Amino acid sequence: DTAVSQTPKYLVTQMGNDKSIKCEQNLGHDTMYWYKQDSKKFLKIMFSYNNKELIINETVPNRFSPKSPDKAHLNLHINSLELGDSAVYFCASSEKNIQYFGAGTRLSVL
Amino acid sequence: AQKVTQAQTEISVVEKEDVTLDCVYETRDTTYYLFWYKQPPSGELVFLIRRNSFDEQNEISGRYSWNFQKSTSSFNFTITASQVVDSAVYFCALSEKSAGGTSYGKLTFGQGTILTVHP
Repeated sequence: DTAVSQTPKYLVTQMGNDKSIKCEQNLGHDTMYWYKQDSKKFLKIMFSYNNKELIINETVPNRFSPKSPDKAHLNLHINSLELGDSAVYFCASSEKNIQYFGAGTRLSVL
Repeated sequence: AQKVTQAQTEISVVEKEDVTLDCVYETRDTTYYLFWYKQPPSGELVFLIRRNSFDEQNEISGRYSWNFQKSTSSFNFTITASQVVDSAVYFCALSEKSAGGTSYGKLTFGQGTILTVHP
């Protein structure tokens, strides 16, 4: 009965590959987010969707494409992975301006 | 532009000591929200508190307390009688209204403070 769940938890892949991270929330929230945490623990927003509509798109390479098939899901697809994409990616959903985070997906690009 | 600064990169204390984590923020908005999150060694991000800009009352929750001072743009977090389980990275964050002015969106995080509590 996890509130915000991400899969996979760990992802190891080669440079140039394409990969996806899935996120689902069972809280009934309308808004979902993707954040990136780098090796220095710095957290920065990437995207936000409200009821399947993109509302925040920070300066992120267009190799990153979020997709929201319904308001409970926000997936992140990454094309042509680069070494610099190695990080922990967090999904979140929000209600009353409080964001609740998933456990994170640790992506390692070799 | 909004900015959050946590000047203390790392703090090390011995169990039962009190410890205060500092947070200073910058924003042009008059209405905003401030948050603290905890990231334990297991890696997840745990919500601790939200405070809106109109509410300067201090808050206490068990061993945790928060001091919000608009005059100094600070939102400090104190752990009383620290325990080993408090060891974690603590993030302060700020949320302003979105560009459309209708809803709150992204969190801007501080750099985080690594707290280590020794037995």
